[in-house]
Amino acid sequence: AQSVTQLDSQVPVFEEAPVELRCNYSSSVSVYLFWYVQYPNQGLQLLLKYLSGSTLVESINGFEAEFNKSQTSFHLRKPSVHISDTAEYFCAVSNFGNEKLTFGTGTRLTIIP
Amino acid sequence: GAGVSQSPSNKVTEKGKDVELRCDPISGHTALYWYRQRLGQGLEFLIYFQGNSAPDKSGLPSDRFSAERTGESVSTLTIQRTQQEDSAVYLCASSLTSQSGTDTQYFGPGTRLTVL
Repeated sequence: AQSVTQLDSQVPVFEEAPVELRCNYSSSVSVYLFWYVQYPNQGLQLLLKYLSGSTLVESINGFEAEFNKSQTSFHLRKPSVHISDTAEYFCAVSNFGNEKLTFGTGTRLTIIP
Repeated sequence: GAGVSQSPSNKVTEKGKDVELRCDPISGHTALYWYRQRLGQGLEFLIYFQGNSAPDKSGLPSDRFSAERTGESVSTLTIQRTQQEDSAVYLCASSLTSQSGTDTQYFGPGTRLTVL
């Protein structure tokens, strides 16, 4: 069995400030890791994913996440947030050859002007 | 091209009634998934279909829940004798394949089910 923990249910951040959304997972086998984003009144969209290779992965809109196997973490970071980043962010994990995603409970990111 | 579509977008029903939720995956996607999102919780996996293989039903919470898929197209999730705890957003996703776990799952907008 696997699980995902997102400790912060809500994170308020001032515009142009940095942000880190935390994600920890547990699994007895190797994993793939994902961050999905849900903007207001929109469906879930893939933000970025780690499958293999470089442990640092980036999205097209400035977010990055680093896979840390020893700490079983996959925290999401952005050096400077914008109002448009207001959304709910979900961390998810799947196992090699096991396609279903296990999601965390989500972190609501609120940007303060 | 068109994304994953779901209907209805909202459904209000009375306790004890049956409901059917529909999902149209992206054309050409062989894998289809159903998830449930209860208020304040993460998404819970319900069931997935991969081509002609037997579906993985391991996430269905009770025998009141069932799902079917016609070939590699439309899927229907049926909830019989609905209960108030069934109230949630039901999300459908599809991917090209599910054989490696690496293919991106594309999500539909969801169906918000409210059981009175």
